[in-house]
Amino acid sequence: DAGVIQSPRHEVTEMGQEVTLRCKPISGHNSLFWYRQTMMRGLELLIYFNNNVPIDDSGMPEDRFSAKMPNASFSTLKIQPSEPRDSAVYFCASSPLSSTDTQYFGPGTRLTVL
Amino acid sequence: QKEVEQNSGPLSVPEGAIASLNCTYSDRGSQSFFWYRQYSGKSPELIMFIYSNGDKEDGRFTAQLNKASQYVSLLIRDSQPSDSATYLCAAVKAAGNKLTFGGGTRVLVKP
Repeated sequence: DAGVIQSPRHEVTEMGQEVTLRCKPISGHNSLFWYRQTMMRGLELLIYFNNNVPIDDSGMPEDRFSAKMPNASFSTLKIQPSEPRDSAVYFCASSPLSSTDTQYFGPGTRLTVL
Repeated sequence: QKEVEQNSGPLSVPEGAIASLNCTYSDRGSQSFFWYRQYSGKSPELIMFIYSNGDKEDGRFTAQLNKASQYVSLLIRDSQPSDSATYLCAAVKAAGNKLTFGGGTRVLVKP
């Protein structure tokens, strides 16, 4: 069975450009999480969805960040405009709704903003 | 104060020895605790979780929870070089709520 799929795996962009990260959760998982990991701040939850509905977006750093989940098999995290301080690894994770604390992580997208 | 605290390490352990990792949390409302392993350049993977005070064993891993002291630990018995990784402790307040991660402890197992 396929795990969580993320694309792209690496993204290099210039400051001011729009960046879109994509995630496909594990089939049958109803909860989806977006995390950001940096050396300085560790692993931080940005936003999570239950049944495609955003539940908690308190970790989204600012209005430049937005996330959508149009259906059960796809989610996007968009940064517009991007800044160098957004450089990080962005992970998507999914879990069954019945046990949202047992999360399965995707391989991550390493974002570099020049 | 961070909600979940871990010593960043590195924790250097000889092969075959026991690695002992510690984690403290500040929110007494935390109910469940998780240990994730993260190899360099890879994503976190769940090792085990614990809900109740006491010990929980899974293979070479033992998680220990003391809610009165707000303390969680992970023991790795018979440490192997393949155990070299960063171990992340996480807490959740209630079922269905979000995980809060500690900064991780880097473990180095030397042959």
